[in-house]
Amino acid sequence: RKEVEQDPGPFNVPEGATVAFNCTYSNSASQSFFWYRQDCRKEPKLLMSVYSSGNEDGRFTAQLNRASQYISLLIRDSKLSDSATYLCVVNQAGTALIFGKGTTLSVSS
Amino acid sequence: EAGVTQSPTHLIKTRGQQATLRCSPISGHTSVYWYQQALGLGLQFLLWYDEGEERNRGNFPPRFSGRQFPNYSSELNVNALELEDSALYLCASSKGAHGNQPQHFGDGTRLSIL
Repeated sequence: RKEVEQDPGPFNVPEGATVAFNCTYSNSASQSFFWYRQDCRKEPKLLMSVYSSGNEDGRFTAQLNRASQYISLLIRDSKLSDSATYLCVVNQAGTALIFGKGTTLSVSS
Repeated sequence: EAGVTQSPTHLIKTRGQQATLRCSPISGHTSVYWYQQALGLGLQFLLWYDEGEERNRGNFPPRFSGRQFPNYSSELNVNALELEDSALYLCASSKGAHGNQPQHFGDGTRLSIL
């Protein structure tokens, strides 16, 4: 089983839609969780950390389910500028971050 | 605050040559990470340095090596270049040595092997 698994997509949605991405991780000792965004041929950029209680940043909501080893990202009211690849990232203490291969989102008008 | 800076932006080499890539972390960050991203693939972890020491290494051959300097900047060296080494090489930095802090990436060095 891969350490971090994501559905590669692509997810093709119209502007204004709500879209959710899921991610599973294999190591129950993982302690830190993040979502990054990567535009084509650009560097990944931190979108948000994921906290146990769930957290929201504007149109973006992240959830963590430790029992199921599952992380989600919800994007409401999708914008054209949300089109990118979304990377799920996990870590356990003393090791470097482990990146999923990403889920591609395409928002169209 | 200046972000992570990498140089050069592009590097063209031929098979068998050696390449040196450089990275300056965000001020105050002590950890530097190197990743390889080949076209269409995910980020593959290469190396992690903190306080001048190698903390962890990904599944890459020994011809991939690096070091971290006292000012926390870092170099990635790739010897005996092969065609499949063509990729975007990304450097990231973070605070602390636990590896659980968010990483902030530079723009990358695009290495092309002819």
